[in-house]
Amino acid sequence: QSALTQPPSASGSLGQSVTISCTGTSADVGGSNYVSWYQQHPGKVPKLMIYEVSERPSGVPDRFSGSKSGNTASLTVSGLQAEDEGDYYCSSHAGNNILLFGGGTKVTVL
Amino acid sequence: EVQLVESGGGLVQPGGSLRLSCVASGLPFNIWWMSWVRQAPGKGLEWVATIQDDGTGKYYVDPVKGRFTVSRDNAKNSLYLQMSGLRVEDTAVYYCAALNWYKVSTWGLGTPVTVSS
Repeated sequence: QSALTQPPSASGSLGQSVTISCTGTSADVGGSNYVSWYQQHPGKVPKLMIYEVSERPSGVPDRFSGSKSGNTASLTVSGLQAEDEGDYYCSSHAGNNILLFGGGTKVTVL
Repeated sequence: EVQLVESGGGLVQPGGSLRLSCVASGLPFNIWWMSWVRQAPGKGLEWVATIQDDGTGKYYVDPVKGRFTVSRDNAKNSLYLQMSGLRVEDTAVYYCAALNWYKVSTWGLGTPVTVSS
């Protein structure tokens, strides 16, 4: 039950793109279609941004997209806006109804 | 509107016990798998436990196995987390979470637990 690996920080200029990686193993990210991404602003509750690798819940802008290759999932935020600043967490089903989260990535909009 | 409201958090000494509760509204509670997720101060999210819709299956993160017990009362739309043998490292905000195909669809506002002497 090791946490998924995310870079501690990422940044991009207003209007540009940023991509965050989430690396696991074949037992979790690599072997699961149940990879999700959450956004959390300081002092707030996490919000679901992507589920099942690349699906967006209703109300989430299409600037947010997800993908996966091998044991690494990625979240890309295109056309960065100021309100996209915050912490982002990936999660994955890891078999036996175990859920793993990544350590989180702080996104800064320059 | 779906709402999850936690209660029961507080300050407890190491080795002590605490019972967290979560009341759900606006969703058919008895068909949802439910989880507890915690976040230590300044740290990331950590899944703690999940219970199946009918309460028959329960799953835990390794550090809390044997110390924490998740349960539910579908008649009361309520989820519980009985925590015993609490350690300093259990200090966190504990979120009640509605799980749908391994994604958290709804989060509660959280209840803080502080383990300190």
